[in-house]
Amino acid sequence: GEDVEQSLFLSVREGDSSVINCTYTDSSSTYLYWYKQEPGAGLQLLTYIFSNMDMKQDQRLTVLLNKKDKHLSLRIADTQTGDSAIYFCAEDGSSNTGKLIFGQGTTLQVKP
Amino acid sequence: NAGVTQTPKFRILKIGQSMTLQCTQDMNHNYMYWYRQDPGMGLKLIYYSVGAGITDKGEVPNGYNVSRSTTEDFPLRLELAAPSQTSVYFCASSSDWTGAYQYFGAGTRLSVL
Repeated sequence: GEDVEQSLFLSVREGDSSVINCTYTDSSSTYLYWYKQEPGAGLQLLTYIFSNMDMKQDQRLTVLLNKKDKHLSLRIADTQTGDSAIYFCAEDGSSNTGKLIFGQGTTLQVKP
Repeated sequence: NAGVTQTPKFRILKIGQSMTLQCTQDMNHNYMYWYRQDPGMGLKLIYYSVGAGITDKGEVPNGYNVSRSTTEDFPLRLELAAPSQTSVYFCASSSDWTGAYQYFGAGTRLSVL
């Protein structure tokens, strides 16, 4: 079945780069996504990548996709304390109804 | 710019009680979704709708019901609440089937005691 796995916790120092990793099982996914959740808030879409791409850059964010290994990563350059949050990886599987399968989330802690 | 609005924000229920979680969106989106988020876990899809009058089950539908009589509203009904339904519930909507356009509400935190 469809499954998305992430490491649970990452701690970095302010100014360093953060890399959050994700593995997924459904190779028929069309898009893969990164969402951010701040405490007490809903999810906010950070970025997404089409499955036929292997990299996407958006300001401080870089997404890398390795389809062969079904591995997705999110790199945040010059990490700031405001980046502290939970980051969710998600895939849309083989559905065309927008149903998303989420990982369990990676808590990013940024130390000053 | 209201977006997706969920009410209430917090609720405590006793075992066996029923309630309806409200979700409304003002973006004329066809697609709407209900997710639950358990502590330390990702979101699980409960029900979804691809348009008014059309609903379908997600991954964890047991104990819930939905209806979609209008484009704007997608209420989630809990019948006979159980402690296992203690969770944070998120409603989302999108104009397109890709998750790139899903907008999330702020959530409803529900405790069943």
